[in-house]
Amino acid sequence: DSGVTQTPKHLITATGQRVTLRCSPRSGDLSVYWYQQSLDQGLQFLIQYYNGEERAKGNILERFSAQQFPDLHSELNLSSLELGDSALYFCASTSGQEGTEAFFGQGTRLTVV
Amino acid sequence: GEDVEQSLFLSVREGDSSVINCTYTDSSSTYLYWYKQEPGAGLQLLTYIFSNMDMKQDQRLTVLLNKKDKHLSLRIADTQTGDSAIYFCAEIPLGDGYNKLIFGAGTRLAVHP
Repeated sequence: DSGVTQTPKHLITATGQRVTLRCSPRSGDLSVYWYQQSLDQGLQFLIQYYNGEERAKGNILERFSAQQFPDLHSELNLSSLELGDSALYFCASTSGQEGTEAFFGQGTRLTVV
Repeated sequence: GEDVEQSLFLSVREGDSSVINCTYTDSSSTYLYWYKQEPGAGLQLLTYIFSNMDMKQDQRLTVLLNKKDKHLSLRIADTQTGDSAIYFCAEIPLGDGYNKLIFGAGTRLAVHP
């Protein structure tokens, strides 16, 4: 158990809908990272938050957004969903701003139908 | 540019050693990682190495780094069926402030009796 908790584990939704994925980092970790794992793109970094502030951005679509709350949990919002958004979404956390020892959650499997 | 390459499949007999190879392109990377993903599970950090090191050993795992060729390998001694999984090589480019992990496509290790 990495200590990073993601909910829900599975999500099935229709095209055009909006979903919210939730992540609780390990106790004491200030940074949260979101990654997308898909068959065609592999594992891609989406975005990082550190202590509530956006720190780094990767290949995140404009339809996607994230935030980190004062209690340090994070949410990834995916809107206007397309079939191609079906993927496994991982959250990871680290204690500092650097992702040098990132621990990953179990992931949320999103299926868009 | 940033790119990490791995062979996609490796099949070994139980009890033999497995060697999973990876090449990376970013010469500024100073952290290199091996993650393990079992079916339906998240990413488990196995080990990582600083680029000023040539080798790191942790129980059955040995990581070798050839900086000149930008080649990283993971050796698993006495491979067991429980080692069957996908192994991801990853790097953190220095230029991005050690934020994002760049992953390879993953090597699927199959261990047979």
